[in-house]
Amino acid sequence: GAVVSQHPSRVICKSGTSVKIECRSLDFQATTMFWYRQFPKQSLMLMATSNEGSKATYEQGVEKDKFLINHASLTLSTLTVTSAHPEDSSFYICSARDHAAHSYNEQFFGPGTRLTVL
Amino acid sequence: AQSVTQPDIHITVSEGASLELRCNYSYGATPYLFWYVQSPGQGLQLLLKYFSGDTLVQGIKGFEAEFKRSQSSFNLRKPSVHWSDAAEYFCAVEKGGGNKLTFGTGTQLKVEL
Repeated sequence: GAVVSQHPSRVICKSGTSVKIECRSLDFQATTMFWYRQFPKQSLMLMATSNEGSKATYEQGVEKDKFLINHASLTLSTLTVTSAHPEDSSFYICSARDHAAHSYNEQFFGPGTRLTVL
Repeated sequence: AQSVTQPDIHITVSEGASLELRCNYSYGATPYLFWYVQSPGQGLQLLLKYFSGDTLVQGIKGFEAEFKRSQSSFNLRKPSVHWSDAAEYFCAVEKGGGNKLTFGTGTQLKVEL
């Protein structure tokens, strides 16, 4: 089945540093990937839509300069949290849509990355 | 704007008992509807989806859901719960096209042995 991986699974960093999170589709090509943020005991909030070879589309209220997204290939998208602060601590989840899927709407989700900013 | 409501934050059922998780949505037209399950350390897994047609949808792991337009609901059911079903369940909706999902706040299911 379609598998999406994320690396790292958890990261702890100091305030002011930048952190890069990778999202990979392992056995399919993904023209579109999505980045979500999940706070404890809360829902997933869509941050941005990442399209291969073009700029990401950010949801209202998401700082594009804070959360840099790069989708350089059909199997890899990266999210870089720049100058991270404690309020950026969260669970970040990516998903990928199978380029060749018969079911147009199905997204496959990664296991998530727990970011803790000290 | 579309929204999704899962009224039950926590539900506890005994193993072997039936289960119903509630989901209500707010959207002008019929959206695409999904149920996902999230287990610790694993990505969200799609249980089932509804786009159109038969309003009773069968999914994986013995789950089913029924779309009721008059109630704007898409409740998830399982006739007999297994201990391994303990997890967080999310209802999600998508306005046609674009793949942008709006998730409910989730229901944490606990299964008592």
